[in-house]
Amino acid sequence: GAVVSQHPSRVICKSGTSVKIECRSLDFQATTMFWYRQFPKQSLMLMATSNEGSKATYEQGVEKDKFLINHASLTLSTLTVTSAHPEDSSFYICSAKQGARTEAFFGQGTRLTVV
Amino acid sequence: QQQVKQSPQSLIVQKGGISIINCAYENTAFDYFPWYQQFPGKGPALLIAIRPDVSEKKEGRFTISFNKSAKQFSLHIMDSQPGDSATYFCAANYGQNFVFGPGTRLSVLP
Repeated sequence: GAVVSQHPSRVICKSGTSVKIECRSLDFQATTMFWYRQFPKQSLMLMATSNEGSKATYEQGVEKDKFLINHASLTLSTLTVTSAHPEDSSFYICSAKQGARTEAFFGQGTRLTVV
Repeated sequence: QQQVKQSPQSLIVQKGGISIINCAYENTAFDYFPWYQQFPGKGPALLIAIRPDVSEKKEGRFTISFNKSAKQFSLHIMDSQPGDSATYFCAANYGQNFVFGPGTRLSVLP
């Protein structure tokens, strides 16, 4: 399968600071990228969908000013958690798909801890 | 309509046994049904997937059975191994919409 690389795998930041998570498709052009949040022992909760060169579409209840998503190229999307608070601590996962192809491939996930 | 139901929530199987996880959906627009395997602290990995024009797909020890009329599909893991212990998510997709089931935690006892 295709490779999606997510970085960093773990990050600890202080409350009030911002943290950026990168998601890269290494061997295909990711026309669409998805960002998920996953709480312990729960399923994936879709936060937003982004198409390359367009503004992200956020799911209901997700603050777009807090979770900034940029998908400026066909191989890179970033999620920036602004003014992070302890309740933002979670496991964030990206996935990517190419064009009309149905398969979506996931990154390794990022464990964010806000202290 | 967008929900995907998954059962059981957790499953314990002896090594060598068959693990069976079931999923059901409502929206007939879904046209792609993948299964993902997730280990703790890792992202989900695509395991196997099926489209509604076939009733079964097998890849190694993993088989998806699909019942279009009942809007149900299931994952069978034959000869289950301790290394298969993970959380499994079924999903349903059309266009850019991926809907995930709540997951099944599988434990395979040695």
